Amino acid sequence: QKEVEQNSGPLSVPEGAIASLNCTYSDRGSQSFFWYRQYSGKSPELIMFIYSNGDKEDGRFTAQLNKASQYVSLLIRDSQPSDSATYLCAVIGSGGSNYKLTFGKGTLLTVNP
Amino acid sequence: GAVVSQHPSWVICKSGTSVKIECRSLDFQATTMFWYRQFPKQSLMLMATSNEGSKATYEQGVEKDKFLINHASLTLSTLTVTSAHPEDSSFYICSARSQQETQYFGPGTRLLVL
Repeated sequence: QKEVEQNSGPLSVPEGAIASLNCTYSDRGSQSFFWYRQYSGKSPELIMFIYSNGDKEDGRFTAQLNKASQYVSLLIRDSQPSDSATYLCAVIGSGGSNYKLTFGKGTLLTVNP
Repeated sequence: GAVVSQHPSWVICKSGTSVKIECRSLDFQATTMFWYRQFPKQSLMLMATSNEGSKATYEQGVEKDKFLINHASLTLSTLTVTSAHPEDSSFYICSARSQQETQYFGPGTRLLVL
């Protein structure tokens, strides 16, 4: 059973702080990792994807991947109230089955003004 | 780029009727489309994977005769909920994948079965 684990939160941070969201996965052969944001009542929106070990930065967002530890994280710098949402970690596992995503249950982030 | 649309955005129907939901990739050709369902405050649940021109692959526990999927072209997949019942009321979301691995989600369709 391929699993993706996230802390369900809620994670509460003050405006302007760094929010750190974490995710672990069980399938060691996984190669592709994604972070989606889902606002309440809306569908998921892609924030970032990362394939290689290390950091990948895009604006205020940084994804970090450590395949040896089977760990992927998302850092949000200068957090804004508009960042308040559920953040979903998703992984494409080994086996290449139509590129299905395995999702974590999501972490609810609240950014307080 | 990578825009996925769904139609309708919401639908209310009587129990026993069938409802068709369309998913379109607007600016790319979708090698694969996926259909998800999400109940309130719950996680996304993958229902089926659809490849253009072939039969859909359903996840365990999803009735293929109840949730009919057609993927007739590289830009259009449809999900038909047949003989809908109140327990089918949910948020149905499609996603599409191009040549790369990234999935882009449509805005979702809210179904309410009375």
